[in-house]
This record gives sequence, structure tokens and C-alpha cells, in this order.
Amino acid sequence: DAGVTQSPTHLIKTRGQQVTLRCSPISGHKSVSWYQQVLGQGPQFIFQYYEKEERGRGNFPDRFSARQFPNYSSELNVNALLLGDSALYLCASTGPYEQYFGPGTRLTVT
Amino acid sequence: EDQVTQSPEALRLQEGESSSLNCSYTVSGLRGLFWYRQDPGKGPEFLFTLYSAGEEKEKERLKATLTKKESFLHITAPKPEDSATYLCAVDFGNEKLTFGTGTRLTIIP
Repeated sequence: DAGVTQSPTHLIKTRGQQVTLRCSPISGHKSVSWYQQVLGQGPQFIFQYYEKEERGRGNFPDRFSARQFPNYSSELNVNALLLGDSALYLCASTGPYEQYFGPGTRLTVT
Repeated sequence: EDQVTQSPEALRLQEGESSSLNCSYTVSGLRGLFWYRQDPGKGPEFLFTLYSAGEEKEKERLKATLTKKESFLHITAPKPEDSATYLCAVDFGNEKLTFGTGTRLTIIP
């Protein structure tokens, strides 16, 4: 079985630009969560989606948005990038009892 | 506010030297506690889920235990390949995982 996949692996953007990150959950999982992990810290919750509906939102500005598609894949969009948005962005696929994480997308904002 | 605290921040052990990592949390309706292993630049790898006080789970050299206010990850006779950051996360029943800052474990050959 394929695990959680994320694309792209790495991304370099300039301040003020916009970025879209993509995630495909484990087959059969209907819920996807997004987390931001800054170097040296634990992941911070951004969004959770279940059956295309937003189920939870963390303490992030409105520049962050997400959506989930009928095939349960998801996109995270960040507008007006700031230097502080540089981080590892993680997607988690939620099963009955736990969340499985993808390899992440490393975003660098210059 | 729901909080998760891990200690120590970093731990260096000789190969074969057993020890424990701690995860404490504010007691407010814990629905589940999770342990993950994370290698540098990679996503967290799921290890264990614990749901109730007194529960224990084991996997190879790792054993996780849970009380009403903290969890321990015991590592027995560790090997260099056990070197990683170990993350603890709690589901407080609000549709998200709240993570600690992790313990960076280094096993010296």
C-alpha cells in the first residue's frame, strides 16, 4: 500500500509570492490534516478536512487556506509569503486510530 | 490551553545504555496519546497510540506507558540506528494533534 504522498519535495519562493502544496492520503482514508513544522519545534496544526469539509483550523492567518477534493487528496495554499513561512509542511492521513504523516514539503522563502 | 511538554530536550546515551523519555500534558479530556519518531528532514513515523492510564505498548527496543498525566517512552539497550527525534502528541478531542517539541536522542557507538 502506498503511504501518504506529498509534492513537491522542496520549494523556494520569494516574499509576497503564493504557493500550493499537494497531498494524497492513504487509500481508504477520508481525512487529511496539515501541519507546519519550524526547525527545532514540533508540528503545529493548520487544518483538518474530512469528506471535503473543514473540521478544524489552527491559529494561522487567513493567508493560509486549504481544500479537499472528491478523491480525498488535498491542497494547502499560502498567499503573500513571509520569511517566517519557511518550514516543513506536513500532511497527515487519518485512520481509525492514528494519523500517518507524509514526507513533507520543505518550503524556503527568500 | 492544552499543552504537551517533553523532557529532556536532548539525550546522549552509549550504545546499550537504557533510558526513558517523558511526555507530560495538561489533563483536559485526553482522547489519545501518540509517539512518533522523526529523522532529520523527514516526516514523523508513527510508533504507538495509548488511550487509557495503565496501557502499555511495545515495539522492538521501545516501550510506551501512560499514566493520568504523563507518558514514558522507555528505550532498552539502544543501538545507533535508534538515534532520532522522538515526538509526543496528544489528541485532546478537538480534531487536531498537539505536539511537544520533541526529545533529540543520540546513541553513541
